[in-house]
Amino acid sequence: DTGVSQNPRHKITKRGQNVTFRCDPISEHNRLYWYRQTLGQGPEFLTYFQNEAQLEKSRLLSDRFSAERPKGSFSTLEIQRTEQGDSAMYLCASEGRLNTEAFFGQGTRLTVV
Amino acid sequence: GNSVTQMEGPVTLSEEAFLTINCTYTATGYPSLFWYVQYPGEGLQLLLKATKADDKGSNKGFEATYRKETTSFHLEKGSVQVSDSAVYFCALIPIIQGAQKLVFGQGTRLTINP
Repeated sequence: DTGVSQNPRHKITKRGQNVTFRCDPISEHNRLYWYRQTLGQGPEFLTYFQNEAQLEKSRLLSDRFSAERPKGSFSTLEIQRTEQGDSAMYLCASEGRLNTEAFFGQGTRLTVV
Repeated sequence: GNSVTQMEGPVTLSEEAFLTINCTYTATGYPSLFWYVQYPGEGLQLLLKATKADDKGSNKGFEATYRKETTSFHLEKGSVQVSDSAVYFCALIPIIQGAQKLVFGQGTRLTINP
């Protein structure tokens, strides 16, 4: 088991473009979380899945953001019509059925120019 | 609402110095409290946690005690090493809930000089 994997590690995009990030959780972890971390701040919760069901979305997740976890394994986070304010590190975490700890990936750093 | 406040960084210490990073929280009920660490180029890792008042979490020489009366969870280590250089995040999960929806502080960057 190699831990939580996120791709790409870095993404630079022009304002107005769409971007998609992928997260592969630890095998058989049923919960998957997305967080956003801006420079100098701690991570902020965006949304989470239990298996394929998206159970909660933060008010930080505007209509331009959509997340999916179609088969209860990997997840994607898409941002449409990116804005400069979307520049941040996007973190994914997964949690097993014992609910004791969330394991984080290394994140995808998005820069919108 | 739920929030976490950490001492401002960056913090720079010499090897073998005593470390304290202050953390206070605001939450309804009795949250679970955590310290996460982020080493350069790596993802966040759980360092230690405490789930009820007066519990002490410990790991790798670090300790933190859940103080309900002062709503604090300060991180301490008696003798730091260069390898402890990282960013440290205090966090909470509100009350009792099934999901690991963490509320983080802003982080404190620690640098240890040899």
